[in-house]
Amino acid sequence: EDQVTQSPEALRLQEGESSSLNCSYTVSGLRGLFWYRQDPGKGPEFLFTLYSAGEEKEKERLKATLTKKESFLHITAPKPEDSATYLCAVLNSGYALNFGKGTSLLVTP
Amino acid sequence: DTAVSQTPKYLVTQMGNDKSIKCEQNLGHDTMYWYKQDSKKFLKIMFSYNNKELIINETVPNRFSPKSPDKAHLNLHINSLELGDSAVYFCASSQERGSGEQYFGPGTRLTVT
Repeated sequence: EDQVTQSPEALRLQEGESSSLNCSYTVSGLRGLFWYRQDPGKGPEFLFTLYSAGEEKEKERLKATLTKKESFLHITAPKPEDSATYLCAVLNSGYALNFGKGTSLLVTP
Repeated sequence: DTAVSQTPKYLVTQMGNDKSIKCEQNLGHDTMYWYKQDSKKFLKIMFSYNNKELIINETVPNRFSPKSPDKAHLNLHINSLELGDSAVYFCASSQERGSGEQYFGPGTRLTVT
């Protein structure tokens, strides 16, 4: 059965303090790994797609990387507006997105 | 312009009632989804339609019935509501079947009392 585990559950950073969020996965036949951002009271917002080990994607202060067993979302010099819940998901052979439980990030000034 | 919209945003109802949530997307996408996000924020797929055809039907009580009148609309009807149905329900859409790049609506917070 597909499994997506995110860690840590919650992370508090000072503005400018870089860190990484982890997403480990087991899936039969990975069709893609996806990162989403969810702000309180809103729907998830798509950030990145990664398809193969070694692939990297960047957007502003965020960089997502993928290995055969896990993905990392690196946040460089975060700002308070980066505070949100970050969700990782894998697409399985049945074309369904399986989400992890998310990492709640708080960046303080 | 709102890409994926849902109505209502909030829904408070009593156990045993029947209610519907509506979803519309103006992105021209072929595939639409319903997700449930529980109190622990865990987001789980319920259904997916591709061009009005049901393609994903996860283990969901048959009190939940999706309907897609056309590829821009996907509604969710829930019969005999139970306390455990309280959650936030999200509609989403994607360009095509099998795409993990999905666009989510703002959610409908359902509270069953």
